[in-house]
Amino acid sequence: GAGVSQTPSNKVTEKGKYVELRCDPISGHTALYWYRQSLGQGPEFLIYFQGTGAADDSGLPNDRFFAVRPEGSVSTLKIQRTERGDSAVYLCASSLIGGGETQYFGPGTRLLVL
Amino acid sequence: DQQVKQNSPSLSVQEGRISILNCDYTNSMFDYFLWYKKYPAEGPTFLISISSIKDKNEDGRFTVFLNKSAKHLSLHIVPSQPGDSAVYFCAVSTSGTYKYIFGTGTRLKVLA
Repeated sequence: GAGVSQTPSNKVTEKGKYVELRCDPISGHTALYWYRQSLGQGPEFLIYFQGTGAADDSGLPNDRFFAVRPEGSVSTLKIQRTERGDSAVYLCASSLIGGGETQYFGPGTRLLVL
Repeated sequence: DQQVKQNSPSLSVQEGRISILNCDYTNSMFDYFLWYKKYPAEGPTFLISISSIKDKNEDGRFTVFLNKSAKHLSLHIVPSQPGDSAVYFCAVSTSGTYKYIFGTGTRLKVLA
């Protein structure tokens, strides 16, 4: 079956611009997660959705970052006024229910802010 | 104040030999532990997991060992194959939660 998909695979933007990153989870998975992986680091948690609602957004670094999941399936991570420090690989994962079972990751979106 | 540490950034092993990857954590509240494998330009792929009620879990060539008193887990790959060459991340969690905390990864290279 299809895994988690993310688009675009690569995104280059200029400092100050707005970007949207999309995640399509595994069909039937109600839980969706966003992580960010900087060079030489492991993935760091950003936000967790259970259904349509953000159950925990404590990992979002500041209010320039926002994520939505309006229909409980596809999610979009939105970054306003991008900064060079936002450059990273943004990973999306999904799991069947949420609350401890295995998370399955997509290939990530590599964001480069010039 | 890293909660999960993988102190070896890289490891080289001869094909057919054992690969041992290590991971240390600081918080005894963590009770669910996982290993992920990552190839370049791909997302992390789940490999194996273990809960704190066990000290060993085996799946084919992969075995994870958990030493709760030492707050240490390890991944053994036997025999190692060139296709195992990748970056390996350990991740920890607390049951009933959803937030994984990852280590910084160990790059394994299996030499043919």
